[in-house]
Amino acid sequence: DAGVIQSPRHEVTEMGQEVTLRCKPISGHNSLFWYRQTMMRGLELLIYFNNNVPIDDSGMPEDRFSAKMPNASFSTLKIQPSEPRDSAVYFCASSFGTGRQPQHFGDGTRLSIL
Amino acid sequence: DAKTTQPPSMDCAEGRAANLPCNHSTISGNEYVYWYRQIHSQGPQYIIHGLKNNETNEMASLIITEDRKSSTLILPHATLRDTAVYYCIVRDNNYGQNFVFGPGTRLSVLP
Repeated sequence: DAGVIQSPRHEVTEMGQEVTLRCKPISGHNSLFWYRQTMMRGLELLIYFNNNVPIDDSGMPEDRFSAKMPNASFSTLKIQPSEPRDSAVYFCASSFGTGRQPQHFGDGTRLSIL
Repeated sequence: DAKTTQPPSMDCAEGRAANLPCNHSTISGNEYVYWYRQIHSQGPQYIIHGLKNNETNEMASLIITEDRKSSTLILPHATLRDTAVYYCIVRDNNYGQNFVFGPGTRLSVLP
């Protein structure tokens, strides 16, 4: 079975550029989560969607970050303009149904902002 | 804030059982215990979860104490590929409660 698919796996760009990260959740899952992982702060939840609707975006660091989920099989996380402190590994996860169901993670996008 | 306490690191000999402890003394009746692991350069991988009964699957066993204030993840025959950071998480079963990952335990399986 295909797991959560993220692209690109690696992204290197200069500060000020727009960055778009993509995620395809597991088919049939109706919840999608975006996380960020750094050495300093560990794994942090940025935003999550239920049935394509954003439910909690309190973890989004600032207005430069935005996320969309236009349909059940695709989500994007966009940073505009990007800054060096945004460098991190960004993970997408999905789950199905009730709150006790585990989340399944993709392999992440390693983002480096120069 | 994470509601769990785990040792920062542990070693285990290859082929032996790895027993990873987790304290969650403030756990409430609705909260499940989840275990994930993260192998270098990969996303967190779900292992197992439980409420109060012991659980077993193809990857591991989860032993939860009767008072639910602590638990142990058991990898029965550790291999080198089990070297990873293991996260113990408690989470309410109400929808919307996100997973809060603490620093976890870095398990090193030694040949």
